[in-house]
Amino acid sequence: AQSVAQPEDQVNVAEGNPLTVKCTYSVSGNPYLFWYVQYPNRGLQFLLKYITGDNLVKGSYGFEAEFNKSQTSFHLKKPSALVSDSALYFCAVRDPAGQNFVFGPGTRLSVLP
Amino acid sequence: EAGVTQFPSHSVIEKGQTVTLRCDPISGHDNLYWYRRVMGKEIKFLLHFVKESKQDESGMPNNRFLAERTGGTYSTLKVQPAELEDSGVYFCASSSGSSYNSPLHFGNGTRLTVT
Repeated sequence: AQSVAQPEDQVNVAEGNPLTVKCTYSVSGNPYLFWYVQYPNRGLQFLLKYITGDNLVKGSYGFEAEFNKSQTSFHLKKPSALVSDSALYFCAVRDPAGQNFVFGPGTRLSVLP
Repeated sequence: EAGVTQFPSHSVIEKGQTVTLRCDPISGHDNLYWYRRVMGKEIKFLLHFVKESKQDESGMPNNRFLAERTGGTYSTLKVQPAELEDSGVYFCASSSGSSYNSPLHFGNGTRLTVT
């Protein structure tokens, strides 16, 4: 069965600094990987996905993520953090053989001014 | 396009009562999913509809939970009778077609509190 781990409950970064939110996964076969963001009292919003091709994928709001097959990781990155990036971030994996998404526990990102 | 809408946004009920949550997916989306997040933990899958059919209900915790999607449009999730451990945020999501790389579109969730 597939699973997703986000090893950090909380990530703090100063505004203007680069940020990384970590995600590792376990799935049989080639994974479909996703990042979602949740702002307070809102639903999850899609940020980006990796399906195939270039290991570095770019998404909304200046975010990008790097797929690393050997390390089974899909870390979310942004070169320069904004205070408005403060939110809860979820990594998710979808097994191509199935139709269900499996989510990680979430990482709370706080960008300090 | 209108997004996924969920009603109510909040519900507070007593143990033993019944609650029905509603989800209206994005028009034309065949796939509808229910998830829940309990006590700030991971988001857990409950079930998946394709049109009006239950494709996968392996995540439904027990028979106190009943989901329906009559006509393949909106869906309801009924909890009867509710227990304390059912408290959490219930999310509905939809996606189009049968493509496995289609992202999910989420509603804002229903926060259920059972007292």
